[in-house]
Amino acid sequence: GQQVMQIPQYQHVQEGEDFTTYCNSSTTLSNIQWYKQRPGGHPVFLIQLVKSGEVKKQKRLTFQFGEAKKNSSLHITATQTTDVGTYFCVPGNQFYFGTGTSLTVIP
Amino acid sequence: DAGVTQSPTHLIKTRGQQVTLRCSPKSGHDTVSWYQQALGQGPQFIFQYYEEEERQRGNFPDRFSGHQFPNYSSELNVNALLLGDSALYLCASSLRQGSSYEQYFGPGTRLTVT
Repeated sequence: GQQVMQIPQYQHVQEGEDFTTYCNSSTTLSNIQWYKQRPGGHPVFLIQLVKSGEVKKQKRLTFQFGEAKKNSSLHITATQTTDVGTYFCVPGNQFYFGTGTSLTVIP
Repeated sequence: DAGVTQSPTHLIKTRGQQVTLRCSPKSGHDTVSWYQQALGQGPQFIFQYYEEEERQRGNFPDRFSGHQFPNYSSELNVNALLLGDSALYLCASSLRQGSSYEQYFGPGTRLTVT
């Protein structure tokens, strides 16, 4: 299956700081999804990106899909303790989760 | 509107035994996928069922098998359990048609093999 790499693997931030995780693929993706998994919880769908260069926002979260459709990013502005969890990118039709980025927010 | 439900919540089995996990998809969904998530790892795709047939399969041995029923619910069976099968087993449902690959996950079944 198609594999994607996420960086960083772990990120600790002070509450109020910004956070970004990157998802990189060696091949062109038809689309990409982002999921969030809280500690002890299950993955929750956040968003799907389809178009080259697409940018979508959800409150403090900004998602981007690269022009070449080989990379994507998730940016959180002014993190809050509720943002804690692991963020996964998933090639939309492949069912293979990336390595994930675990976010810790220090109050 | 009920979301994805899974049973049981927790299960303890002995090495060599067999186990069956159950999943009911979100109302209106027709496709069920199963994932294995070891502690500290991302979910690993086991297989997907649609129209009562296995449509895609990940890199898991034949000890892992499944079934989908006419009401779209699904079972995951694991035979000859190994210690390494201890994990959280997640079920996700989705709608086959359309351009969205959005999956709704259940709370999972925590399997411990001793």
